[in-house]
Amino acid sequence: AQSVTQLDSHVSVSEGTPVLLRCNYSSSYSPSLFWYVQHPNKGLQLLLKYTSAATLVKGINGFEAEFKKSETSFHLTKPSAHMSDAAEYFCVVSEWRGSYIPTFGRGTSLIVHP
Amino acid sequence: GAVVSQHPSWVICKSGTSVKIECRSLDFQATTMFWYRQFPKQSLMLMATSNEGSKATYEQGVEKDKFLINHASLTLSTLTVTSAHPEDSSFYICSAPTDPTGGTDTQYFGPGTRLTVL
Repeated sequence: AQSVTQLDSHVSVSEGTPVLLRCNYSSSYSPSLFWYVQHPNKGLQLLLKYTSAATLVKGINGFEAEFKKSETSFHLTKPSAHMSDAAEYFCVVSEWRGSYIPTFGRGTSLIVHP
Repeated sequence: GAVVSQHPSWVICKSGTSVKIECRSLDFQATTMFWYRQFPKQSLMLMATSNEGSKATYEQGVEKDKFLINHASLTLSTLTVTSAHPEDSSFYICSAPTDPTGGTDTQYFGPGTRLTVL
């Protein structure tokens, strides 16, 4: 069985400072891992996806995530936060069950202060 | 990237009525679609997997007779909330992978439908 733990329900940063959103996972097999962003009352947008081709994955809007198998982690980072980054972020692990079934973390709310 | 639409974006209905929500893949065919429910400030809860041409697969605890899912074509899945009650009020989101059987597991999400039951 797969599961995802997002370690922080809220992360608060100042504009221009680094962002770190933490995610740990468990999976029976080699997982597919994703980060999605959701702005208020909107659907989810794919930020990036781990495909096993490279452990450091670059996504849109300057975000990247590093897959660390030994730590079962897939933390999301960005060097410099922008006001428009304020949103809800979801870490997702996908497992094959006849088709790929996603499991969501609880979400981390990113707050960016001016 | 692939585009998934939902209609309506919001709906208000009276208790006891039924509401239909549509999920469409606009630029790809989706043999599988997923329906989720999201409560305020909470994560997405997978309700069911919608399979084109066959019955939907419901997650444990989701009432099949309450949430009717029909996947009539390769681009359309519908979720009907039957005899809606205020506790059914929620944000409903659908998603579809572009190629569920060929190794592509990236989900593309619809914008969501806000259901309010009075």
